[in-house]
Amino acid sequence: EAQVTQNPRYLITVTGKKLTVTCSQNMNHEYMSWYRQDPGLGLRQIYYSMNVEVTDKGDVPEGYKVSRKEKRNFPLILESPSPNQTSLYFCASSLEGVGSGANVLTFGAGSRLTVL
Amino acid sequence: SQQGEEDPQALSIQEGENATMNCSYKTSINNLQWYRQNSGRGLVHLILIRSNEREKHSGRLRVTLDTSKKSSSLLITASRAADTASYFCATEGSGNTPLVFGKGTRLSVIA
Repeated sequence: EAQVTQNPRYLITVTGKKLTVTCSQNMNHEYMSWYRQDPGLGLRQIYYSMNVEVTDKGDVPEGYKVSRKEKRNFPLILESPSPNQTSLYFCASSLEGVGSGANVLTFGAGSRLTVL
Repeated sequence: SQQGEEDPQALSIQEGENATMNCSYKTSINNLQWYRQNSGRGLVHLILIRSNEREKHSGRLRVTLDTSKKSSSLLITASRAADTASYFCATEGSGNTPLVFGKGTRLSVIA
């Protein structure tokens, strides 16, 4: 089944404890992206990647890192999480990316992160 | 930012009625997309309309696009309780810019 898989789905952690949220897609998509969703703010893009070893900042990149060493994986790293990073996170991918005119996204199920 | 803005923020209707949601945006676009999100789950793509298209249909969904007014509408006909969800518009700008989402319309369909 074609899908985007995120792990963990739920996580409670403490301030400053490094964590990684993994994202994997099995559709050979070029483009991958991370969003966070907060009440009243909608979806905001954190980082995106047009292809292997190519990453760019989105609207809210502060406090996050990403890497794209393989086409299928796009992990989101919080080096020193803080309470304001408590949010619902979504990974998404598409066959064609930015500027293609057909950037239709497939989303993962989401990862709910709480930072105490 | 070219972020789309949906209107209304929330909508409650009876089963069988039609639901209309609107999206306005600020800059020129390549296309506009609508997504659906069931509570706390990932978004699901519904329909894409290109900037040179005015109307598109998919099942019970009808999307219109007015580039002169920089607005779009999503019509769901004969709504069902299962249509209860949040609906987001997303715009792909005419430059090399990522897809940008609005804040969504929360639709409740009451059986």
